[in-house]
Amino acid sequence: SQQGEEDPQALSIQEGENATMNCSYKTSINNLQWYRQNSGRGLVHLILIRSNEREKHSGRLRVTLDTSKKSSSLLITASRAADTASYFCATEDSNYQLIWGAGTKLIIKP
Amino acid sequence: IAGITQAPTSQILAAGRRMTLRCTQDMRHNAMYWYRQDLGLGLRLIHYSNTAGTTGKGEVPDGYSVSRANTDDFPLTLASAVPSQTSVYFCASSREGRGEAFFGQGTRLTVV
Repeated sequence: SQQGEEDPQALSIQEGENATMNCSYKTSINNLQWYRQNSGRGLVHLILIRSNEREKHSGRLRVTLDTSKKSSSLLITASRAADTASYFCATEDSNYQLIWGAGTKLIIKP
Repeated sequence: IAGITQAPTSQILAAGRRMTLRCTQDMRHNAMYWYRQDLGLGLRLIHYSNTAGTTGKGEVPDGYSVSRANTDDFPLTLASAVPSQTSVYFCASSREGRGEAFFGQGTRLTVV
């Protein structure tokens, strides 16, 4: 069964704006990961945040994790057309299995 | 170029036929996975292997089988395909069965 649920399901913004996507999960986790999938392609790992971390940065990406609320957010700053893709969160459980959400489809309008 | 290679890229298959999806990685990762991706459902784990010689069932294993004879290869077999197995199939690997997963480009399978 799916653990992660992304919100919103779809997001359309203007180039240059910030994009925020959220992920909620149900059980305890080792870490939470965010991936990007361009249309018709495989998934690419973006960032991993461990359960004892609260915030992590990578370039224009900022991820937060609130284990008390069982939620995470992915912020993409200064969006570009190339950021158009689907974004998935995946939680690693105590058995080291990744459990995936249904994804957020992000469209960056030029 | 290091990574995961899947074959074929796409396939149309008659119901009842047997089909093997191939997956090869050259990163010497211990763990490998097969997922299916259906619209609106994200990725669902079919089977996994934590190391060569071992396999395990994921969330949706029925109708599929796998083998892991060596570190590099992890084929997925549909013994008798049914239309509900129409999906995009992704193979993935990770170094020690935890952390970052690396994905192949996917196989788009249509069962008619």
